[in-house]
Amino acid sequence: GENVEQHPSTLSVQEGDSAVIKCTYSDSASNYFPWYKQELGKRPQLIIDIRSNVGEKKDQRIAVTLNKTAKHFSLHITETQPEDSAVYFCAVATGGGNKLTFGTGTQLKVEL
Amino acid sequence: GAGVSQSPSNKVTEKGKDVELRCDPISGHTALYWYRQSLGQGLEFLIYFQGNSAPDKSGLPSDRFSAERTGGSVSTLTIQRTQQEDSAVYLCASSAGSHSNEQFFGPGTRLTVL
Repeated sequence: GENVEQHPSTLSVQEGDSAVIKCTYSDSASNYFPWYKQELGKRPQLIIDIRSNVGEKKDQRIAVTLNKTAKHFSLHITETQPEDSAVYFCAVATGGGNKLTFGTGTQLKVEL
Repeated sequence: GAGVSQSPSNKVTEKGKDVELRCDPISGHTALYWYRQSLGQGLEFLIYFQGNSAPDKSGLPSDRFSAERTGGSVSTLTIQRTQQEDSAVYLCASSAGSHSNEQFFGPGTRLTVL
């Protein structure tokens, strides 16, 4: 089955700096790559996603890049703010069923 | 419209008892998923329903776990003879269907097995 690795497990940045979280996956047939943000005690919420026919996608301060050859994708957050502090999960879907395999999460802390 | 809802929000049970967890997906969403999130961990896929197709049960950890979806809407996840290692947050998600990938999550049910 699919295997997703996520790094780093914790990330601390100063407000205004950029944050980058990376994930690798094992199944070359994977075709959908979402990123979820989960605040403490809350449900995961989709912040950005990318499909396998696209190399990069941007939405304001958030961007995702995908390298299908190397089987890795990354989340980039620019101009970080304290409200960006949360756990971020990458996920991968393979085939038409869309069941997601999640990474183990990155605890992002944005310090003032 | 309303998002995905789950009940109960919290459930405390004794080892060996059966529990039922309920999920109400977004109206009109044909796909429904159950995931489990243990403390400080990522989400683990359990089971997936798509329309009238046979469910994908490949993530269920043991035969004590089962789920059904009646009328293509509400789903119930049942755990029989609960064990302490079943303690986790059980999250339900729904999506519009096989051509729409985005999954919307419910608030989860926190299950504690004493």
